[in-house]
Amino acid sequence: EAQVTQNPRYLITVTGKKLTVTCSQNMNHEYMSWYRQDPGLGLRQIYYSMNVEVTDKGDVPEGYKVSRKEKRNFPLILESPSPNQTSLYFCASSGTGYNEQFFGPGTRLTVL
Amino acid sequence: AQSVSQHNHHVILSEAASLELGCNYSYGGTVNLFWYVQYPGQHLQLLLKYFSGDPLVKGIKGFEAEFIKSKFSFNLRKPSVQWSDTAEYFCAVEENYGQNFVFGPGTRLSVLP
Repeated sequence: EAQVTQNPRYLITVTGKKLTVTCSQNMNHEYMSWYRQDPGLGLRQIYYSMNVEVTDKGDVPEGYKVSRKEKRNFPLILESPSPNQTSLYFCASSGTGYNEQFFGPGTRLTVL
Repeated sequence: AQSVSQHNHHVILSEAASLELGCNYSYGGTVNLFWYVQYPGQHLQLLLKYFSGDPLVKGIKGFEAEFIKSKFSFNLRKPSVQWSDTAEYFCAVEENYGQNFVFGPGTRLSVLP
């Protein structure tokens, strides 16, 4: 089944404790992206990747890191999480050119 | 920078009522346009998309949208809503092959049985 998976689905952590949210897709998509969803703000793009070893900042990259060492994986790293990073995070992927994005199930992160 | 606005934050309708959700974007160049739906507790799913051609596009579940280039708009419509359409709806605009993919703030639709 074609899908985007994220882990963990739910995470409660404390300020400053490094964490990684994994994202994996099995559709051989070149493009992958991370978003955060906050009430009243919709989805805002954090980082995106056009292909392996190619990443770039989205609209709200501060406090986040990503890597794209393999085509299928695009982990999101929070080196020192803060409470303002409490949010719902979505990973998405799409093929090249004009294609819609396929979304993962979301990761709800709470930073205390 | 590209921005996307949606006219309503929360829309409440009775079943069988007609629906129109507004979406406007700011970019003047070539764009791809999308409507996504997010049912309670679920991830985003594509309702419909416009890349080129006929400006009236039909999507799943009886939804359609009309692209009006002169108004920078891409409004979503459905002639008769159902209770199961209760969800949050996001308009999204893509330029430059996905290098800039921007979502609107979302419109929450509540359909009363």
